[in-house]
Amino acid sequence: DAGVTQSPTHLIKTRGQHVTLRCSPISGHKSVSWYQQVLGQGPQFIFQYYEKEERGRGNFPDRFSARQFPNYSSELNVNALLLGDSALYLCASSLGVTAREQYFGPGTRLTVT
Amino acid sequence: GIQVEQSPPDLILQEGANSTLRCNFSDSVNNLQWFHQNPWGQLINLFYIPSGTKQNGRLSATTVATERYSLLYISSSQTTDSGVYFCALITGNQFYFGTGTSLTVIP
Repeated sequence: DAGVTQSPTHLIKTRGQHVTLRCSPISGHKSVSWYQQVLGQGPQFIFQYYEKEERGRGNFPDRFSARQFPNYSSELNVNALLLGDSALYLCASSLGVTAREQYFGPGTRLTVT
Repeated sequence: GIQVEQSPPDLILQEGANSTLRCNFSDSVNNLQWFHQNPWGQLINLFYIPSGTKQNGRLSATTVATERYSLLYISSSQTTDSGVYFCALITGNQFYFGTGTSLTVIP
């Protein structure tokens, strides 16, 4: 079975632009979570979605938004990009809200210039 | 929010040595996982261990939830064990990663 997949692998954007990152969970998993990992730090939680509804939100500005589709895939959108948004963006999936073991995708490396 | 601290922050081992990594947390948690992040950024699941002890080959982990800590043991270390080790916690609907331990195993 395929693991969690993310696209694109790498992305370069300019300050002020908008970006959309995509994630497909493991087959059968209904929960998707997004994380930002800045170089040298641990991942920081951004959002959790389950059954297309937001179930958790970390301490990120409103420029960050996400959604989950009927097939449980998810998009993370970031508006008005800042240099500080440069990071590895990780997606994780789990069976559900109560089954919490998470499995991570390979990440999308975003560079903002 | 919950504080998650890992120690030591950095560790250098000779191949074949054993080590213990620690994860301390400041509040009760629903779940705890250990991950190994390889040099390409991929987070690899090691253990899902909200409580008790588990073993998988050369690795084992113990979580004592009532005392708010978890330990990861690596025995007979290999160069492929190099990377960053994270513990990650879930409390309520919030997810928290620890500060990480960077492990380098030298031949």
